[in-house]
Amino acid sequence: DAGVTQSPTHLIKTRGQQVTLRCSPKSGHDTVSWYQQALGQGPQFIFQYYEEEERQRGNFPDRFSGHQFPNYSSELNVNALLLGDSALYLCASSSDRYSNQPQHFGDGTRLSIL
Amino acid sequence: AQSVTQPDIHITVSEGASLELRCNYSYGATPYLFWYVQSPGQGLQLLLKYFSGDTLVQGIKGFEAEFKRSQSSFNLRKPSVHWSDAAEYFCAVSPRDTGRRALTFGSGTRLQVQP
Repeated sequence: DAGVTQSPTHLIKTRGQQVTLRCSPKSGHDTVSWYQQALGQGPQFIFQYYEEEERQRGNFPDRFSGHQFPNYSSELNVNALLLGDSALYLCASSSDRYSNQPQHFGDGTRLSIL
Repeated sequence: AQSVTQPDIHITVSEGASLELRCNYSYGATPYLFWYVQSPGQGLQLLLKYFSGDTLVQGIKGFEAEFKRSQSSFNLRKPSVHWSDAAEYFCAVSPRDTGRRALTFGSGTRLQVQP
């Protein structure tokens, strides 16, 4: 049973570019959340998707957007990249039906902005 | 707004010694509480969680944590540390509202284990 998978593993971009990160949730999970983890910090919540809609959003600018597909997989898009966007981006999945179950995390995508 | 404080940025213990990592939270009501561990270059692995009931919860890898409502604390403990426990540990909370389960994390405690 595959857990949460994220792609790519690493990515290098330059300022001003756009990037798309991808996440496949754990089998049986229908909810996907995205987190940004800067070096030396704890993860910060970006947003959560359920039923192909953004259900909850953290304190991130509109440059950060997402999408969820009918198969529950998700994308995180970041436009007009800034140096400060360099971070590990973590995807977590969970089941809305079993709301007392914790989120499962992928290994993340390491994004470096030059 | 909710917040999580992990007062110890870095802790070093000897292999075989006991361990306690501190976590305090600020929240309107008792949230769900979690401890996650992160090895270098890896994602987060859940060690244990507290939702309700017994305030002493057991997790994987021999870890346990105790919820103390009066102190708004959820400290992680292990009686005997192994070298493989060296990692970053994060305490996290989330609200109990269905559909609003965003995790708020502390800044982490880096554990170093001396032989």
